[in-house]
Amino acid sequence: EVQLVESGGGLVQPGGSLRLSCAASGLTLSSYEMNWVRRTPGKGLEWVSYIGFSGSPIFYADSVKGRFTISRDNAKNSLFLQMNSLGAEDTALYYCVATICSGGRCYPDYWGQGTLVTVSS
Amino acid sequence: QAVVTQEPSLTVSPGGTVTLTCGSSTGAVTSGHYPCWFQQKSGQAPRTLIYDTSNLHSWTPTRFSGSLLGGKAALTLSGAQTEDEAEYNCLLSYSGVWVFGGGTKLTVL
Repeated sequence: EVQLVESGGGLVQPGGSLRLSCAASGLTLSSYEMNWVRRTPGKGLEWVSYIGFSGSPIFYADSVKGRFTISRDNAKNSLFLQMNSLGAEDTALYYCVATICSGGRCYPDYWGQGTLVTVSS
Repeated sequence: QAVVTQEPSLTVSPGGTVTLTCGSSTGAVTSGHYPCWFQQKSGQAPRTLIYDTSNLHSWTPTRFSGSLLGGKAALTLSGAQTEDEAEYNCLLSYSGVWVFGGGTKLTVL
């Protein structure tokens, strides 16, 4: 059974940092391009970041560029998201998404259940 | 950034047919937006149902179908079952950037 399990979420003060992890089982992460997607109370689902098979290319949404860093460790079948300078607008449920791309089109194949990040003082 | 619109809620009777739509603020949705649809039930991970407009995922029941309809992407459920009650989200790609719709809460009643 394929599972993507996110962890690392929690309550953090504005300006703080968190590191999210996504552990994959039942699939070989190196076979997938990966995305982080978040669901916020006000804006719904929002794409956050993308990383290619071997760690490049990397793309970020404008809303997180310069503050978030995506990375992966294929040997450990894991995906990460380092989040710095967090603000209330980053409060969301964060999903890791195993993605298939072909001919310029990408679609989500498997989703995790998400890890909740709450930014509040 | 483009805004993707979906009906906030729809109701269908068991055994009935319903069509959910996904529109774009930039104009007509085309196959070049590679529309995807996914389902999310309460407390569960989202599950992709349809990708690239009309391709069913391996686990997607054949009562679901995807198409382009009247300038929008469409998800049609034929022969609704109570287990289909869920939120359905669409996803459109704009030059490789994913933009999600607000979701449709489907009630089977």
